[in-house]
Amino acid sequence: KAGVTQTPRYLIKTRGQQVTLSCSPISGHRSVSWYQQTPGQGLQFLFEYFSETQRNKGNFPGRFSGRQFSNSRSEMNVSTLELGDSALYLCASSVRTGVNEQFFGPGTRLTVL
Amino acid sequence: QKEVEQDPGPLSVPEGAIVSLNCTYSNSAFQYFMWYRQYSRKGPELLMYTYSSGNKEDGRFTAQVDKSSKYISLFIRDSQPSDSATYLCAMSVAAGNKLTFGGGTRVLVKP
Repeated sequence: KAGVTQTPRYLIKTRGQQVTLSCSPISGHRSVSWYQQTPGQGLQFLFEYFSETQRNKGNFPGRFSGRQFSNSRSEMNVSTLELGDSALYLCASSVRTGVNEQFFGPGTRLTVL
Repeated sequence: QKEVEQDPGPLSVPEGAIVSLNCTYSNSAFQYFMWYRQYSRKGPELLMYTYSSGNKEDGRFTAQVDKSSKYISLFIRDSQPSDSATYLCAMSVAAGNKLTFGGGTRVLVKP
């Protein structure tokens, strides 16, 4: 069974731009969560989507948003990029919401210049 | 102070030794505890998952949870160079996807 896939793997943007990252969960998995990983703050939860609805949200500004499609694929968007948004963005999928076994993708490394 | 504290290491051990990792936390509401392994340039991989206090063993890995001390541990027996990675603890209040992670401990197993 294929794992979680994330595209693109690497991205370079400049301050003020916006970016959209994509995540395809494991086949049959309907919950997708997004995390930001930085050297200073570690792994931090952004949000979770299940059945096209946001179920949980972390403590990030409104510039960070996401959505989920009917095929469970998810996208996250960051608007008005700041230098501090440079990070590895990880997507994790699970069979359903309310389950702790999550499977992570390889991440998208975003660099903001 | 972070909710979950983890020594960043690096922790260097000879091949075959026992690797001992731990995390402390401040939120007594945490009920679910996990350990992830992350290789360089890869996403975290779930190693162990335990609920509430107690021990759990899976092959060379043993996870321990002591909720009274707010302390969790992971032991890796007969360590191999392929165990060299960053190990992250994670925990949640309820069964669900909002995990709180420790900062990770980098482990180096030398042949």
